[in-house]
Amino acid sequence: AQSVSQHNHHVILSEAASLELGCNYSYGGTVNLFWYVQYPGQHLQLLLKYFSGDPLVKGIKGFEAEFIKSKFSFNLRKPSVQWSDTAEYFCAGHGSSNTGKLIFGQGTTLQVKP
Amino acid sequence: DGGITQSPKYLFRKEGQNVTLSCEQNLNHDAMYWYRQDPGQGLRLIYYSQIVNDFQKGDIAEGYSVSREKKESFPLTVTSAQKNPTAFYLCASSISRGKYNEQFFGPGTRLTVL
Repeated sequence: AQSVSQHNHHVILSEAASLELGCNYSYGGTVNLFWYVQYPGQHLQLLLKYFSGDPLVKGIKGFEAEFIKSKFSFNLRKPSVQWSDTAEYFCAGHGSSNTGKLIFGQGTTLQVKP
Repeated sequence: DGGITQSPKYLFRKEGQNVTLSCEQNLNHDAMYWYRQDPGQGLRLIYYSQIVNDFQKGDIAEGYSVSREKKESFPLTVTSAQKNPTAFYLCASSISRGKYNEQFFGPGTRLTVL
């Protein structure tokens, strides 16, 4: 079955620490991947997306992600986190069908201590 | 402002009652989606609609119903058949179906069954 999994469920970091959140997908064919963020009390919003081309994708607020096809991974990174990055992060992917359906990972709660 | 609105923000329901959650978008998007968010489970797709007067079941459609009579509106009814309805419900839309379109999310409705 098609799936997206996030292995880090709850991450606690101090400000200025580096961040890497894991995301793995389990389907073949054309792969389109997304990272969404949900700040406390706010809408789910898109951080970055990968459709094709350069596997290193840069998003908003200093985030980036690298698509590694051989590892079925799309990990999210940020060199130096801020307190304002405290949020829940979701990895998602389109499955092999062309319906636009998104498959979400379980989410990772990031808590950044000032 | 273009966007997606959901109402109400909070909804309380007694067991055995049906309730309808509203979702409206003014983005002129063809495709609309309903997700359910539970802690530690990410977002799961309930129903989606790729065009007016057409919709399909998602992964967890049992106990829910939808309609798509207008392009801008996609209401979700949580019926008494839904065994565990307490959750956070998110509506989303994209410009069209397909794998290359970003989904935009509304602010959500938190449903609590008393």
